Amino acid sequence: GAGVSQSPRYKVAKRGQDVALRCDPISGHVSLFWYQQALGQGPEFLTYFQNEAQLDKSGLPSDRFFAERPEGSVSTLKIQRTQQEDSAVYLCASSFLAGGGRIEQFFGPGTRLTVL
Amino acid sequence: TQLLEQSPQFLSIQEGENLTVYCNSSSVFSSLQWYRQEPGEGPVLLVTVVTGGEVKKLKRLTFQFGDARKDSSLHITAAQPGDTGLYLCAGARGGSQGNLIFGKGTKLSVKP
Repeated sequence: GAGVSQSPRYKVAKRGQDVALRCDPISGHVSLFWYQQALGQGPEFLTYFQNEAQLDKSGLPSDRFFAERPEGSVSTLKIQRTQQEDSAVYLCASSFLAGGGRIEQFFGPGTRLTVL
Repeated sequence: TQLLEQSPQFLSIQEGENLTVYCNSSSVFSSLQWYRQEPGEGPVLLVTVVTGGEVKKLKRLTFQFGDARKDSSLHITAAQPGDTGLYLCAGARGGSQGNLIFGKGTKLSVKP
């Protein structure tokens, strides 16, 4: 597709369940970012990949959060033993070049996770 | 922790009015971006400002980066209902990674 796609668009999980969120970046984009956007807030950085290398995971809120991008394209964000405070929209973004805030990040539509 | 403070948080105006949204920080940013986000969608980049004091215009939108690269403003002239949305500023701290620090956003509603 032409843009960043994410699936599923909506996910409802019972507390304690594991979830996996998928991101398909724009083809050829080197950098991939995951952000978490709580209701009424701006997106907050979770983790960053350059190709298959996870260069920064400082924003992951706990060790229940895990992200991977094994072949440098599709990425999966996994949340284990979900908690109610994990309820948020999870945004994926990709950019053509590596690094630098001057490079435009293209965002997907997000996955809205609701933990009951 | 939000290092970028946006004001106002909510703004409801009539079509044709002018408005200004502010984005302030105590930190210096190598660049600052403005995004617009509609419900159920991801943010879409409007502009990137890099140089202190820089002014960029995009049709009825005027963006300014503060001289010290700590703050920015977005001015919309003659607002239209199509301008309705969440306006987010995002700063890049420099370095090689490029992750952005976002403000909470300003939710703008323009009524016909």
